[in-house]
Amino acid sequence: NAGVTQTPKFQVLKTGQSMTLQCAQDMNHEYMSWYRQDPGMGLRLIHYSVGAGITDQGEVPNGYNVSRSTTEDFPLRLLSAAPSQTSVYFCASSHPDSSYEQYFGPGTRLTVT
Amino acid sequence: GQSLEQPSEVTAVEGAIVQINCTYQTSGFYGLSWYQQHDGGAPTFLSYNALDGLEETGRFSSFLSRSDSYGYLLLQELQMKDSASYFCAVSSYNFNKFYFGSGTKLNVKP
Repeated sequence: NAGVTQTPKFQVLKTGQSMTLQCAQDMNHEYMSWYRQDPGMGLRLIHYSVGAGITDQGEVPNGYNVSRSTTEDFPLRLLSAAPSQTSVYFCASSHPDSSYEQYFGPGTRLTVT
Repeated sequence: GQSLEQPSEVTAVEGAIVQINCTYQTSGFYGLSWYQQHDGGAPTFLSYNALDGLEETGRFSSFLSRSDSYGYLLLQELQMKDSASYFCAVSSYNFNKFYFGSGTKLNVKP
């Protein structure tokens, strides 16, 4: 079991560029979420999904899009990168019966210049 | 809205006991979770309370009082490897929307 994997590990973007952060899990978890973590802060929920084809907004969804076509994958798209989106992005997954126990990927460190 | 309050930093010595508090204000509260995060790493799940009382998992215990909107994480027999940030998180009415506190940095000294 690889658990939750994220690619890339590091990314530098210029303002206005778009990109997709990849997230995959091999634990057959129905629930998946994207968080961002700014320095010295907690995690803030961007978008989440309770199953393939179902997504919803979290606390800070502006500037991000998601889709969930399979149980395994939950990509996060940055539409037009801004310096305020410089952050560490974590993907997490959990089973519905124990959704409080989230498994996190290693994170993507994104810098927007 | 949701808000969670934790102390920003706590220092303790190896072998001691430390308590990290968390107070919350939220609608549709379902439970309180605790996560550990080492510098540069991913958060890892430690403990969860849905009902009032104490949950024990080895050296770590977590407590919840729903009437006081308060919980804490208790770490016993502190080890150097426990130096990390600890986050409380509440889950909302639909049980997959989580709100995290800003974290408590625990420094364990020899």
